[in-house]
Amino acid sequence: EPEVTQTPSHQVTQMGQEVILRCVPISNHLYFYWYRQILGQKVEFLVSFYNNEISEKSEIFDDQFSVERPDGSNFTLKIRSTKLEDSAMYFCASSGSSWGEITGNTIYFGEGSWLTVV
Amino acid sequence: GESVGLHLPTLSVQEGDNSIINCAYSNSASDYFIWYKQESGKGPQFIIDIRSNMDKRQGQRVTVLLNKTVKHLSLQIAATQPGDSAVYFCAENGNAGNNRKLIWGLGTSLAVNP
Repeated sequence: EPEVTQTPSHQVTQMGQEVILRCVPISNHLYFYWYRQILGQKVEFLVSFYNNEISEKSEIFDDQFSVERPDGSNFTLKIRSTKLEDSAMYFCASSGSSWGEITGNTIYFGEGSWLTVV
Repeated sequence: GESVGLHLPTLSVQEGDNSIINCAYSNSASDYFIWYKQESGKGPQFIIDIRSNMDKRQGQRVTVLLNKTVKHLSLQIAATQPGDSAVYFCAENGNAGNNRKLIWGLGTSLAVNP
């Protein structure tokens, strides 16, 4: 089965440092997403990306966050100056279209990158 | 104030029994709903989804029921197995008109006793 891969699986960083989380979405997918899950809390939408631009973003996704698709395979999330409250599991996801499995295009999630800000 | 983790609802079932996990969604404009399974330390895994023009959809050992009148969604797992033990999340698309911005529920922890 195709899968979304994420690196690193775990990163510890000092407050104020920049962090880049990397993702390789499924190769023929068109939509890419970042979600996060603070320990013990709900999964929260951050941003969706299509055709080399952000299509949706949440209130969490402020100026400290940015996303990029630097080449044909990678999709990255950058946090410019990390804060303690950025500590969370960050999930990358991808889908073939904006509709889910009913039209044959499921949203697949990666295993997550656990970010700890100290 | 200090951030406190949410206490997940827990469902405990015997192996072989059927499980029903319930979810109340919030936005009457939502027209797409999805169930995910998350095992400890792993990413969410798609189970099944449903559009608002349907009230029932079946997959392999799973059925999703949608009651738009009371904004309720349920996931039924037939013949529950130990490998089904996980946290189950429902998600809705809000008023987005697509599935690009899913709003996730709290999650229910399913424990299957052998």
